[in-house]
Amino acid sequence: EAGVTQSPTHLIKTRGQQVTLRCSPISGHTSVYWYQQALGLGLQFLLWYDEGEERNRGNFPPRFSGRQFPNYSSELNVNALELEDSALYLCASRYNLGGGNTEAFFGQGTRLTVV
Amino acid sequence: AQRVTQPEKLLSVFKGAPVELKCNYSYSGSPELFWYVQYSRQRLQLLLRHISRESIKGFTADLNKGETSFHLKKPFAQEEDSAMYYCALSGNGGYNKLIFGAGTRLAVHP
Repeated sequence: EAGVTQSPTHLIKTRGQQVTLRCSPISGHTSVYWYQQALGLGLQFLLWYDEGEERNRGNFPPRFSGRQFPNYSSELNVNALELEDSALYLCASRYNLGGGNTEAFFGQGTRLTVV
Repeated sequence: AQRVTQPEKLLSVFKGAPVELKCNYSYSGSPELFWYVQYSRQRLQLLLRHISRESIKGFTADLNKGETSFHLKKPFAQEEDSAMYYCALSGNGGYNKLIFGAGTRLAVHP
């Protein structure tokens, strides 16, 4: 069974540009989570999608946005890139049982560098 | 508000020594707690969850609701335990996010 896949693996962008990151969840998983992992800051929760809807978002500005498609894959968009957006962006998928107690599976991440 | 605190960024021990990685949480309802681990050059993966009450790779964790803690313990550390460990919390019910602490790096020396 394929795991969570993210693309691209690495990306270099210039300040002010826009970027789109992609995530394909494990088959059957309806929930997709996005996290930002900046150096020394752990995993900062960005967004949570389930069944095509945004269910929750973290304390990030509106230039961080995303969506989930009918096949449950997801995109994370970041507009007007800033230097501090440089980080590893992780996607995780989970089967939503209606409770919280299911394992989240992580992708390998997209390393974004803003110059 | 949901919050997970891991007070130690780095825990350094010798092989065979006991290990305790601390995790405290803040949540107004009944939380579900997890420990995730990231070995070098591998993906983040689940180590254990409180509801299963299981021991994985010799690690255990007990949920203490009075102290709002979920510390990860192992009586005898092994070199292969060296990794980044993250405590995570998810609220019960269908619409609660999964949040993580800042992580603790465990270094086990020979």
